[in-house]
Amino acid sequence: SQQGEEDPQALSIQEGENATMNCSYKTSINNLQWYRQNSGRGLVHLILIRSNEREKHSGRLRVTLDTSKKSSSLLITASRAADTASYFCATVSSGGSNYKLTFGKGTLLTVNP
Amino acid sequence: EAQVTQNPRYLITVTGKKLTVTCSQNMNHEYMSWYRQDPGLGLRQIYYSMNVEVTDKGDVPEGYKVSRKEKRNFPLILESPSPNQTSLYFCASRRNEVDGYTFGSGTRLTVV
Repeated sequence: SQQGEEDPQALSIQEGENATMNCSYKTSINNLQWYRQNSGRGLVHLILIRSNEREKHSGRLRVTLDTSKKSSSLLITASRAADTASYFCATVSSGGSNYKLTFGKGTLLTVNP
Repeated sequence: EAQVTQNPRYLITVTGKKLTVTCSQNMNHEYMSWYRQDPGLGLRQIYYSMNVEVTDKGDVPEGYKVSRKEKRNFPLILESPSPNQTSLYFCASRRNEVDGYTFGSGTRLTVV
């Protein structure tokens, strides 16, 4: 079952512009993570934000989390052609014994040179 | 280098012929999972393991088996593959139950 839903499904921007992707989820979470996937390759973990955090930075990445709205956003600043990839949010549910990581369907980001 | 290694990268097989996709991690991680990725359906968890000899079903376990006899290895077994198991498979490991996953490079399986 899908937990996170990314928006938009696809995003095309010019190099140097900022890219913002949003993620909404349904149940209480322990943390939310963002991953990048280049076409057909393995996913790469970008950043993790805990449920008690509101904002986190890593290089050109900025992630926000609003647990009241059950939503998160990923901002990539000063985008580069090499940022072209699919971006997935994934949530770790709170409670239970599995701590399953559930992925959304992703946003396809294209950065045009 | 810290990594998750899957083999093979590509595999074409026939219906009913048993196969095993191997997965190994060198990070001493407790948790390991198998996911399959299909267009329009995203990534879905097949099986996961919280430690040696501890495995459990994910969202789509039918037609698959796993084992965790050693901490580093978590093979995925398809006893009798069918065409609906044609997919891109990923093995992943993480240090604990709330950490981020390190993914393998994937195995593209085609069952004809």
